[in-house]
Amino acid sequence: GAGVSQSPSNKVTEKGKDVELRCDPISGHTALYWYRQRLGQGLEFLIYFQGNSAPDKSGLPSDRFSAERTGESVSTLTIQRTQQEDSAVYLCASSRGTGVVKNIQYFGAGTRLSVL
Amino acid sequence: DQQVKQNSPSLSVQEGRISILNCDYTNSMFDYFLWYKKYPAEGPTFLISISSIKDKNEDGRFTVFLNKSAKHLSLHIVPSQPGDSAVYFCAANPSYNTDKLIFGTGTRLQVFP
Repeated sequence: GAGVSQSPSNKVTEKGKDVELRCDPISGHTALYWYRQRLGQGLEFLIYFQGNSAPDKSGLPSDRFSAERTGESVSTLTIQRTQQEDSAVYLCASSRGTGVVKNIQYFGAGTRLSVL
Repeated sequence: DQQVKQNSPSLSVQEGRISILNCDYTNSMFDYFLWYKKYPAEGPTFLISISSIKDKNEDGRFTVFLNKSAKHLSLHIVPSQPGDSAVYFCAANPSYNTDKLIFGTGTRLQVFP
């Protein structure tokens, strides 16, 4: 596709519910990243994938958060039993690869999650 | 522990003048730095980057300077244009076995006529 696509663009949920956020990376990009941005703050790394494997998931805030990637393409970030502090914009990015050559990360528009 | 800091939350510059956005970092292991620009309701877009082996990189109106001894980098935009009004994020990539980016909190630039 032309760019990184995220869905939904907005999600309002009740505390305690589970949510799934989807990311479609740029076609051919082998690396995929999830970040979140709370109001007035910078982007906070969550997890990244190289292919379908996650070499670094150090940013996941708790075991309520999980992510998977299949077919070296689409990724889903799942938040279980949502809490109000999970409210943020969740951003996905993709890049051509990882490693010594520093690949530029291209971002989607994000999913704005509001937990009531 | 904020490893990448942008101490100026906002900056206002007249059109045609130079905009200078600053960024400080604490970890000497960072080996690659990037600047992203973000408009409201859009994802960040890549602007310019610099490797730790360089001290300057230029692309059109945008120049990034890196001072490793001071752990400081800056983005210069000259001449500034109203379309440059956005939030600018500085980001760093640690060299140790990960490709994640660590972002600063951003500086909102407003360019007025």
